[in-house]
Amino acid sequence: DQQVKQNSPSLSVQEGRISILNCDYTNSMFDYFLWYKKYPAEGPTFLISISSIKDKNEDGRFTVFLNKSAKHLSLHIVPSQPGDSAVYFCAASRSGGSNYKLTFGKGTLLTVNP
Amino acid sequence: EADIYQTPRYLVIGTGKKITLECSQTMGHDKMYWYQQDPGMELHLIHYSYGVNSTEKGDLSSESTVSRIRTEHFPLTLESARPSHTSQYLCASSARAGGYNEQFFGPGTRLTVL
Repeated sequence: DQQVKQNSPSLSVQEGRISILNCDYTNSMFDYFLWYKKYPAEGPTFLISISSIKDKNEDGRFTVFLNKSAKHLSLHIVPSQPGDSAVYFCAASRSGGSNYKLTFGKGTLLTVNP
Repeated sequence: EADIYQTPRYLVIGTGKKITLECSQTMGHDKMYWYQQDPGMELHLIHYSYGVNSTEKGDLSSESTVSRIRTEHFPLTLESARPSHTSQYLCASSARAGGYNEQFFGPGTRLTVL
């Protein structure tokens, strides 16, 4: 039973345009969400996070939106650059108890074309 | 930038061999983790540690074992490697925090068992 779902295995966008990566979750106990970026043969790199008390968090070109009622979050990258081409993982955790654990989605491969 | 190291980066080994994957971090983090990831799949937690002399199995069953004798060091051992162990192994760490959990990842070890 997959608790974090990234339903798009891949996404291709043109340089300079917006990239929107989506993530859905089923566990209502999740209250903290993270996005990681991963290049081949490297470990994931933390990008941005959001807690459930917010609906938006912005860091430079990256913005994460959280819709708790829909159990949905998205990562927006504007403008997209060729160096953004990588696999993006959505992850979720809950505070208290097992708050150390992250549950990951399967990732979305983003390709930004020059 | 996170200072977490994994060696070797790549390992090709024959069936039945004993192997140890090394992981060290210089951030003083108390929590450390091992994940296993196959291409196109999510990261699966196989081991974690709260601190020295504390280790627990993760969500995905694994024949590997871990130890945590020093804060900075969290090696993973396979007593008898098999082809089914072929995968990427990712080590991560995080700081003690009352709330949320940003994990920092090492570069990974790509293991191939022939």
